[in-house]
This record gives sequence, C-alpha cells and structure tokens, in this order.
Amino acid sequence: GAGVSQSPSNKVTEKGKDVELRCDPISGHTALYWYRQSLGQGLEFLIYFQGNSAPDKSGLPSDRFSAERTGGSVSTLTIQRTQQEDSAVYLCASSRHGGDEKLFFGSGTQLSVL
Amino acid sequence: SQKIEQNSEALNIQEGKTATLTCNYTNYSPAYLQWYRQDPGRGPVFLLLIRENEKEKRKERLKVTFDTTLKQSLFHITASQPADSATYLCALDSDSNYQLIWGAGTKLIIKP
Repeated sequence: GAGVSQSPSNKVTEKGKDVELRCDPISGHTALYWYRQSLGQGLEFLIYFQGNSAPDKSGLPSDRFSAERTGGSVSTLTIQRTQQEDSAVYLCASSRHGGDEKLFFGSGTQLSVL
Repeated sequence: SQKIEQNSEALNIQEGKTATLTCNYTNYSPAYLQWYRQDPGRGPVFLLLIRENEKEKRKERLKVTFDTTLKQSLFHITASQPADSATYLCALDSDSNYQLIWGAGTKLIIKP
C-alpha cells in the first residue's frame, strides 16, 4: 500500500479481555516500530523489529504485552488481560532500514478498556 | 535520565506571522533531531531532520535550528497559515541506533 495501515482504528474492550492490533508497514521497509501515545505524553517506545526479529523488547510495559512480525511485513501487537491503564493510542511506524531515517506512521489504534 | 521538553501550552499565532516552537533536552548529546507534525486522529508526519553538526536547516516555509551548547532546537514556520495548525513533536535519538526520545508536543493554532 501507499502508507502504513493499522487496524482496527478503534477498539473498545472490557477489562480482562485480550486484544490484537495489526500493522501493515510500507512495502519494502525492514524496520517496524510500535509506540504508545497517551494524552499529553510523548510517544512511548514499545518494540522495534528489524525484519522478523525484535532486538529490543525492553519497552514493553509488562509480560501481558507481546508482538510478532511475520514474513518481514505485517506485525501484530497483542495485549492480554487488558487493564484500564492500557487505554491509549497505539501507533505503528516503519522506515526503510532503521537508524536515523524518518519514520512513516499509521493513523493508530485508539484502545479503550472499560 | 534523558529528558526532552516542549511547551505544553498551546501557542496562538496570527496568520502571516512567524511561529516559533521550542524543544529543550537534558542529560545527553543526540546526534540528530527530528520534527514531526501530528493532526488529530492521525499519526505523526515527518517534517525535518537536523544533525548535530548542522546549525540550521530549511524546507520551504520551515526552518529548524540546533544549538548543542544550549541543548535546544527551535522550529520556525514563516508566513503562517491556518492550515499549519497542528501539534508539532520533536524527537531526538537516544543511545541506541533506533530508539527516539519524544517530546509531548506543542499545539499550534494559527488564527485567521
């Protein structure tokens, strides 16, 4: 596609349920990032993929969070047993190779945990 | 710890004037800094990157400066237009080669 695509755009779930967020990066981009954005806060780094591997998972807030990337393309971020504090906008970005390159962002998934 | 600050209050500017946004950082020396624009309900969009050995960078009506002594970057929009109204984010590279440190952003409002 022409840009980074994320789905769903909005997700409302009940506390304790699992959710899965999807990111389809720009074709050919090897680097993929997940960020979390809360109101009034800077983007919080969650995880970085280079190809299918994730050299840095240190940003994941807890072991309820996991992410994978298959075929060097689509990535899914899974949050298990959601909590109200997980409510935020989850943004995915990609870049051609990583490093100091500019990031291309999707429009994000607004997650609301009731 | 690494810290980055942007004006948290909205900046109101009259159309046609120059808008100046500030990004201050402490406790580290980034090799480069990026500025992004974010509209409501959308992801950030890249505007400019400036490296530590560059004092100034321009793109059309945009100008970015990078003062490593003051640990500050200034982002200028000249001849501002209502369409420039958005939140502007600055991001600096961290010690890793892929993780950016982000400011919370400054909301810019250009009044007709």
